[in-house]
Amino acid sequence: AQSVTQLDSHVSVSEGTPVLLRCNYSSSYSPSLFWYVQHPNKGLQLLLKYTSAATLVKGINGFEAEFKKSETSFHLTKPSAHMSDAAEYFCVVSDNYGQNFVFGPGTRLSVLP
Amino acid sequence: SQTIHQWPATLVQPVGSPLSLECTVEGTSNPNLYWYRQAAGRGLQLLFYSVGIGQISSEVPQNLSASRPQDRQFILSSKKLLLSDSGFYLCAWATSGSDTQYFGPGTRLTVL
Repeated sequence: AQSVTQLDSHVSVSEGTPVLLRCNYSSSYSPSLFWYVQHPNKGLQLLLKYTSAATLVKGINGFEAEFKKSETSFHLTKPSAHMSDAAEYFCVVSDNYGQNFVFGPGTRLSVLP
Repeated sequence: SQTIHQWPATLVQPVGSPLSLECTVEGTSNPNLYWYRQAAGRGLQLLFYSVGIGQISSEVPQNLSASRPQDRQFILSSKKLLLSDSGFYLCAWATSGSDTQYFGPGTRLTVL
């Protein structure tokens, strides 16, 4: 069985400072891993996806994530937060076949001026 | 390019009334389609998924049902809404054989 843990339910940063959103996963397979972002009352937008091609994955809007198999982690980072980054972020693990797509509980990111 | 539409965007319905939410995808053929519900403070819950016309798999037993009358159309229904059906309903699609899902804009349902 697969599972996802997002270690922080809420993260607050100041504009212009780095962002770190933490995600740990459990999977019996060699998984695919995703980060999605959801702004209030909007659908989920794909930020980035890891599929074993490279451990450091670059996504949209300056976000990137690093896959660390030894730590079973896939943390999301951004060097400098922008006000528009304030949203809910979901880490997702998949079994590569699309039949078992497991969402983490989400981390709410607040960006302070 | 592919796009996914959901309507209505918002809906307020009384308890016991019927429900029909629609999702359509453009720019792809034979997609896998998914319905999720996002209740306040509870994360995303997969309700139904479909790998083809008329093929529906239910993940959670409840008073909701889904249908796929056409290749790129996915409908979520209920005969009698409950208060607990309130939430944000998201439709998603994926290319058959791929595990990357793309989400629609969602429908906010409030049952009073």
